[in-house]
Amino acid sequence: IQMTQSPSSLSASVGDRVTITCRASQSITTYLNWYQQKPGKAPKLLIYAASSLQSGVPSRFSGSGSGTDFTLTISSLQPEDFATYFCQQSYSAPRATFGQGTRLEVK
Amino acid sequence: QVQLQESGPGLVKPSETLSLTCTVSGGSISSDSWSWIRQPAGKGLEWIGRFTTSGNTNYNPSLKSRVTMSVDTSKNQFSLKLSSVTAADTAMYYCARDRNVYDLGFDIWGQGTLVTVSS
Repeated sequence: IQMTQSPSSLSASVGDRVTITCRASQSITTYLNWYQQKPGKAPKLLIYAASSLQSGVPSRFSGSGSGTDFTLTISSLQPEDFATYFCQQSYSAPRATFGQGTRLEVK
Repeated sequence: QVQLQESGPGLVKPSETLSLTCTVSGGSISSDSWSWIRQPAGKGLEWIGRFTTSGNTNYNPSLKSRVTMSVDTSKNQFSLKLSSVTAADTAMYYCARDRNVYDLGFDIWGQGTLVTVSS
């Protein structure tokens, strides 16, 4: 299953509402997870099962979608949110595949 | 809380075998499934494989012929071996707790260890 994210990079300002899209090559129902990765750090799980917020993750992060199309939304960007975001499908678990990533940069 | 720590040589020669270990602390390795994931510099994430302490292993088809995973429950450690390495295997290697079969994702990651393949 191929995962395609868009855009590949995105410039935004603190306070902006940001949406990142992930598309699967076939239906994965809601078996979709989102991760945040900062430079030099391991990825961090933000959202699992398409829309469930991982414990400790701020509520400004939300996920939606089902089937083949999914979105990660940050309602009001904070300085610590500038990072790279990856989606990952677990429909074919244990085999996992990731999107190519979306780099969120300061405008 | 559960923490993971990767260890192993940072430099491996071409055609040799890459060997890494992940140590689990703060919990039992027998309680979960565990995966290895790698990331070349500036690129995306690639799942390498998963194992369970009940003995099941699953590998990425693109790497299957070269990958072996094993566990030492007495040391709360699991290991990765990747044979016949080339420069294309140069990457940051992460171990992670794998809860995907419960639709809970890779919820805990090690900090990663950089492996460079070079003579």
